[in-house]
Amino acid sequence: AQRVTQPEKLLSVFKGAPVELKCNYSYSGSPELFWYVQYSRQRLQLLLRHISRESIKGFTADLNKGETSFHLKKPFAQEEDSAMYYCALSQLTDKLIFGTGTRLQVFP
Amino acid sequence: EAGVVQSPRYKIIEKKQPVAFWCNPISGHNTLYWYLQNLGQGPELLIRYENEEAVDDSQLPKDRFSAERLKGVDSTLKIQPAELGDSAVYLCASSLSGTNSEQYFGPGTRLTVT
Repeated sequence: AQRVTQPEKLLSVFKGAPVELKCNYSYSGSPELFWYVQYSRQRLQLLLRHISRESIKGFTADLNKGETSFHLKKPFAQEEDSAMYYCALSQLTDKLIFGTGTRLQVFP
Repeated sequence: EAGVVQSPRYKIIEKKQPVAFWCNPISGHNTLYWYLQNLGQGPELLIRYENEEAVDDSQLPKDRFSAERLKGVDSTLKIQPAELGDSAVYLCASSLSGTNSEQYFGPGTRLTVT
């Protein structure tokens, strides 16, 4: 069965520290992977998708098919990065399967 | 552009009562989704529409949940009767047609069943 696992419910770092939010998936085909973010009192929004291979707000994520991972990374965290982050997997039918989310807290 | 609009934003009802949620997607978006988000969990798809056709409702509990998108624009999700376990956030999202188009989410409706 398709599944997305985010092992950390909470990740706390200080400003300027590197950040890595972990995401592992199980899927039998070729997945499309996404990171969605929800800032405080805002709606869920797309942060980045693996097929774009771009950096958004300093965040990058590389799809590792061997390890079935799609970890989200940023070299220097900012306070405004504090939010809830969800990793999601899409099947060909546009159905998104979300992980349980990781709350990132960046302290000053 | 207002984005995806949902109402009400909050709803408190007693168990066994009916409740309805409304969603207006972004103009031009043919695909509409309803998600359920329980506390501490990620969103889970309930139903997906392509225009007015429900193309994936496999996760919709059809004994008490129903949805419609009569004119292929706005949509209503109904629960009748509500149970305590239905307390959650109900999210609506929309996207352009096409595989893996970006989904745009509404603010959600927080339902509390007492």
